[in-house]
Amino acid sequence: GQQLNQSPQSMFIQEGEDVSMNCTSSSIFNTWLWYKQDPGEGPVLLIALYKAGELTSNGRLTAQFGITRKDSFLNISASIPSDVGIYFCAGQNTDKLIFGTGTRLQVFP
Amino acid sequence: GAVVSQHPSRVICKSGTSVKIECRSLDFQATTMFWYRQFPKQSLMLMATSNEGSKATYEQGVEKDKFLINHASLTLSTLTVTSAHPEDSSFYICSARDVYEQYFGPGTRLTVT
Repeated sequence: GQQLNQSPQSMFIQEGEDVSMNCTSSSIFNTWLWYKQDPGEGPVLLIALYKAGELTSNGRLTAQFGITRKDSFLNISASIPSDVGIYFCAGQNTDKLIFGTGTRLQVFP
Repeated sequence: GAVVSQHPSRVICKSGTSVKIECRSLDFQATTMFWYRQFPKQSLMLMATSNEGSKATYEQGVEKDKFLINHASLTLSTLTVTSAHPEDSSFYICSARDVYEQYFGPGTRLTVT
């Protein structure tokens, strides 16, 4: 099935550092979403983006919906140990979500 | 926020047997429920979409006779893996949609021996 490409595939950072990850697609999406998945759990919604160019924050998280509607980025500022997990972007046009390949984040104290 | 539960959380079964996984929306009515499969270190792949009272819509490459989906009410959908084989071992995640967004269950780890 279709997947969105995320980069980087994995990141190893020190606590307190800022993190940036992005997601690209060959298709246009009307909505972009960012999820976090902890090991053995389902994904949890972090941020939803509905308009091209939109920049939205949720605490230490900031995400932007690309102007072309084919990409998005997620920034995490001042990382903490509980930020560890896998971050997925997802594109949506109808009810269906198309998930990205994921970025695995490891935070060292 | 809205809560989606899955049962069981993990199950081990023998090759050739069938396994049923339940997905419930606990505090809202879900017009649509989705079933995803996630292999280790991979992304979530949509298997099927189900609406209450109607037949599920399966994604390309997903065998509808193998993965039986029943969406009996606005709060319950079940996925039955029939004649399971070791290659069906995976993490199965459901989600339920209300007016605003999709809420994901905690997943069911299926191991077929």
